[in-house]
Amino acid sequence: AQTVTQSQPEMSVQEAETVTLSCTYDTSESNYYLFWYKQPPSRQMILVIRQEAYKQQNATENRFSVNFQKAAKSFSLKISDSQLGDTAMYFCAFMNLYDMRFGAGTRLTVKP
Amino acid sequence: EAQVTQNPRYLITVTGKKLTVTCSQNMNHEYMSWYRQDPGLGLRQIYYSMNVEVTDKGDVPEGYKVSRKEKRNFPLILESPSPNQTSLYFCASSTHPAGLDEQYFGPGTRLTVT
Repeated sequence: AQTVTQSQPEMSVQEAETVTLSCTYDTSESNYYLFWYKQPPSRQMILVIRQEAYKQQNATENRFSVNFQKAAKSFSLKISDSQLGDTAMYFCAFMNLYDMRFGAGTRLTVKP
Repeated sequence: EAQVTQNPRYLITVTGKKLTVTCSQNMNHEYMSWYRQDPGLGLRQIYYSMNVEVTDKGDVPEGYKVSRKEKRNFPLILESPSPNQTSLYFCASSTHPAGLDEQYFGPGTRLTVT
């Protein structure tokens, strides 16, 4: 079975600085998708970024980018120019044909 | 507005009293799924559905039932709730029939079983 591990339960960063959230996963599949979701205090789940495993190029969405290392099974999220509104729980997720697995989450606090 | 709705948003019930949490999406998505969120465990998949009348177990299906009689609706049924089912529940749907795309999440249902 696939597993997703987020080794940093909590992190903090100063406003305007850069922070990287770690995620590793375990799978025997070659085709899959990886996601980062943000959950602010409102509890709404919001997609931050998505990466298809067959694509070598790292995905980027504005201030958010990933470092996808397929051989190492690593999928970290980098947030540049952190903003107070980035304060949230962040979940890494793995998906392969119907089966979706989430990590335990990293609680990120952006400090003014 | 494209959305996934869940009802109720909050529910406190007693052990053994059957309950249903409804989920509806207006995006004509084929794939729908239920998750529970618990501290330190993230979200875990309960059941998913690839289309009408097609459902399958996720990671933690024990104690839950689902049905998919219409494309837009995917209710979660707890026949005999127990305190260990106290959790935050999310319904989600996806454009991709296998879920291999962004999942649109409902607002969540906070369930407490006493």
